[in-house]
Amino acid sequence: EAQVTQNPRYLITVTGKKLTVTCSQNMNHEYMSWYRQDPGLGLRQIYYSMNVEVTDKGDVPEGYKVSRKEKRNFPLILESPSPNQTSLYFCASSFTRHGEAKNIQYFGAGTRLSVL
Amino acid sequence: QKEVEQNSGPLSVPEGAIASLNCTYSDRGSQSFFWYRQYSGKSPELIMSIYSNGDKEDGRFTAQLNKASQYVSLLIRDSQPSDSATYLCAGASGGSYIPTFGRGTSLIVHP
Repeated sequence: EAQVTQNPRYLITVTGKKLTVTCSQNMNHEYMSWYRQDPGLGLRQIYYSMNVEVTDKGDVPEGYKVSRKEKRNFPLILESPSPNQTSLYFCASSFTRHGEAKNIQYFGAGTRLSVL
Repeated sequence: QKEVEQNSGPLSVPEGAIASLNCTYSDRGSQSFFWYRQYSGKSPELIMSIYSNGDKEDGRFTAQLNKASQYVSLLIRDSQPSDSATYLCAGASGGSYIPTFGRGTSLIVHP
């Protein structure tokens, strides 16, 4: 089954304790991205990756790191989480092929993070 | 700054009516447009994609694109209570594979 898998689904942590949210896709997509979603602010892009070892900042990258060492994996790292990073996080992947399937984002189930 | 604007709603319609959701975008280079449905606490799921001016129909859903007016809409015919969700509009330019999302419109279909 084609899917994007995020783990964990729920996470409660304390300020300053490093954490990693994993994301894996089995569709051989080149593009992957991370979003956070907050009430009234919609989906905001944190980082994206166009291929292995190629990453770039999105709209709200402060406080986050990413890596893309393998095509299927795109972990999100919070080196020193703060309460303002409490949010719902989504990983997504997409095609690069031409045609109508291009740009369609396939989302993971989401990770709800609370930083105390 | 590329922007996609949506009215946050809520838009309330009776069961069986047509729900009309609207979206405008600022980037004239945008070529691909998408409507996602998102239930509370769940991930967005694609409903429609549209790439050319005009209408595109899929079941009860019709997407409309007017590039001259930079306007995208989604019509839901015979609305059902199960259609109650937040609808996200997104647009992507030709050179980008990562779309820009609007903040979403909340739709409530009441029996």
